Amino acid sequence: EIVLTQSPATLSLSPGERATLSCRASQSISSYLAWYQQKPGQAPRLLIYDASNRATGIPARFRGSRSGTDFTLTISSLEPEDFAVYYCQQRGNWPPLTFGGGTKVEIK
Amino acid sequence: EEQLVESGGGVLQPGGSLRLSCAASGFTFDDYAMHWVRQAPGKGLEWVSLISGDGHSTYYADSMKGRFTISRDNNKNSMYLQMNSLRTEDTALYYCARDLAVAGLLMGAFDIWGQGTMVTVSS
Repeated sequence: EIVLTQSPATLSLSPGERATLSCRASQSISSYLAWYQQKPGQAPRLLIYDASNRATGIPARFRGSRSGTDFTLTISSLEPEDFAVYYCQQRGNWPPLTFGGGTKVEIK
Repeated sequence: EEQLVESGGGVLQPGGSLRLSCAASGFTFDDYAMHWVRQAPGKGLEWVSLISGDGHSTYYADSMKGRFTISRDNNKNSMYLQMNSLRTEDTALYYCARDLAVAGLLMGAFDIWGQGTMVTVSS
């Protein structure tokens, strides 16, 4: 089973700042990684798929990238609505499809 | 509007059974594989199961194999999860989610989610 390790667990930033979230896979998953945003009381929302492709309707401030088994979600300038929990998820080696433990982006 | 609505959750004792439903609308249901994903209270996301668009292929997380059965009725635009031999650790919000790929393909990513139905297993 592929294990995804997200870091940091919590990121404390101010609106307008840049957020950099990391996700490391325990083995190669090619570029088959997605990112989701989840706000309290809501279902997750797909942001990025296949490492760097933005899903429909996702603003350009969200960018995904890959270097080997290390993946990064960058939010270029945090908007108030971006404070949430972010999960990465792999489909490179399944079943099972697996998620990371999440990174909470909170207001500093 | 593309929408998924789950139902069927509830409170039950360990060893019990429950059937969850997911009703789809606003898209051609049988064009898409569908998933169940769960989230224990205050915890992260866990993939449960997948069914192909035609219903012929199914996959499960190891801890659900032999206890959970996924199915779908494309005539009713609905998907189901039959859960047997429930354990306290199955307590979670169960989401149904649409696979990102269309036309019989499979992406293993989830682009449309329902709001979830809560299952509580407790003695």
